[in-house]
Amino acid sequence: SYELTQPSSVSVSPGQTARITCSGDVLAKRYVRWFQQKPGQAPVLVIYRDNERPAGISARFSGSSSGTTVTLTISGAQVGDEADYYCYSAADNSPHVVFGGGTRLTVL
Amino acid sequence: EVQLVESGGGLVQPGESLRLSCVASGLTFTNVWMTWVRQAPGKGLEWIGRIKNKVDGGTADIAAPVKGRFTISRDDSKNTLYLQMNSLKTEDTAVYYCTTAAFWGQGTLVAVSS
Repeated sequence: SYELTQPSSVSVSPGQTARITCSGDVLAKRYVRWFQQKPGQAPVLVIYRDNERPAGISARFSGSSSGTTVTLTISGAQVGDEADYYCYSAADNSPHVVFGGGTRLTVL
Repeated sequence: EVQLVESGGGLVQPGESLRLSCVASGLTFTNVWMTWVRQAPGKGLEWIGRIKNKVDGGTADIAAPVKGRFTISRDDSKNTLYLQMNSLKTEDTAVYYCTTAAFWGQGTLVAVSS
């Protein structure tokens, strides 16, 4: 089966840089999207194609890729960035798509 | 402004059926691939399936946990995406979202309980 692995939680102090990783064998060949989800709200796309930022998303959000691991970086983390973050990618040689398990970001 | 509005959720008993709808506005619906995602209470996001636009073949792919029970379709004349859910199980209880990836609806709750 195809899986994307994320840490269950990441914690940083306000103003620090938060890094959330997503690992999976196919990531060397497939792009990743990152979604932010705050409690009670629908997800919001924050990064696509590994490192592209949609219009309206803060420049503090960036993405990078290295081999089978991609990283979402949030610079100058704010309390308002507290949320669950999910990576999302297509499987190799399959039309199916999978989410990572999600990472709870705490800023305190 | 792009809007995706889901409807059709509710409380049903195990074994029953539901059809969810997602009406899109503010985008050229015929051009986009549409996806259904669900989220069980307190759990992560789960990809259910997606349907291509007609130009790319209009075919649908369904995730293994619901294959054979769930069907995705679209009516481009109504800018509407559908999710037909049959033989519902308690583990299908979740909020169901339609999405283009860039845009998401607010979700509709499906509760399966006896």
